[in-house]
Amino acid sequence: GAVVSQHPSWVICKSGTSVKIECRSLDFQATTMFWYRQFPKQSLMLMATSNEGSKATYEQGVEKDKFLINHASLTLSTLTVTSAHPEDSSFYICSARDYRGEVFFGYTFGSGTRLTVV
Amino acid sequence: AQTVTQSQPEMSVQEAETVTLSCTYDTSESDYYLFWYKQPPSRQMILVIRQEAYKQQNATENRFSVNFQKAAKSFSLKISDSQLGDAAMYFCAYRYYGNKLVFGAGTILRVKS
Repeated sequence: GAVVSQHPSWVICKSGTSVKIECRSLDFQATTMFWYRQFPKQSLMLMATSNEGSKATYEQGVEKDKFLINHASLTLSTLTVTSAHPEDSSFYICSARDYRGEVFFGYTFGSGTRLTVV
Repeated sequence: AQTVTQSQPEMSVQEAETVTLSCTYDTSESDYYLFWYKQPPSRQMILVIRQEAYKQQNATENRFSVNFQKAAKSFSLKISDSQLGDAAMYFCAYRYYGNKLVFGAGTILRVKS
């Protein structure tokens, strides 16, 4: 099945700095990727939908200038947390649709990135 | 708006026994997909099983099966012969228009040896 590689697995940064998280689709092209945020023992909340070659679509309440998403190629989407603050500390996960031929199998997820802002 | 409800925050099962996790959803669509995902302590999301709404037959994947009741908007997951490796957070999810997924709050499954 489709595999999404996400890096880094964890990152610690100082308050006020920016952090970039990458998601790459391996052996398949992902025209769309989804970015989620998850707090401990809670569900996944969709932040934005990343579309190759166009602007991302953000969910209501998500700050576009805080969470910059770029999908410059069919295999790479990035999420940049700008001017990070402690409240941005969370677990971030990317996802892509898993198609096998014409059959939709579901969504494949990256391994996630634990961001800690100190 | 589409919503997914998992009413069991935590469940426990004895190893080798069977457990059922509940999920209900709300939608006005007639064609959609439903999923169960497992999130172990590693936090990697793993697809357990999927169901296409237009298919009346309940999906099965080895020890995992679903009871899909479309009219009742219910989608429960049955795990047979539970194993220690089944311990995880389980999320029910609904795919709606625009290819977005909405997740339930999750159920923590503990497996006792």
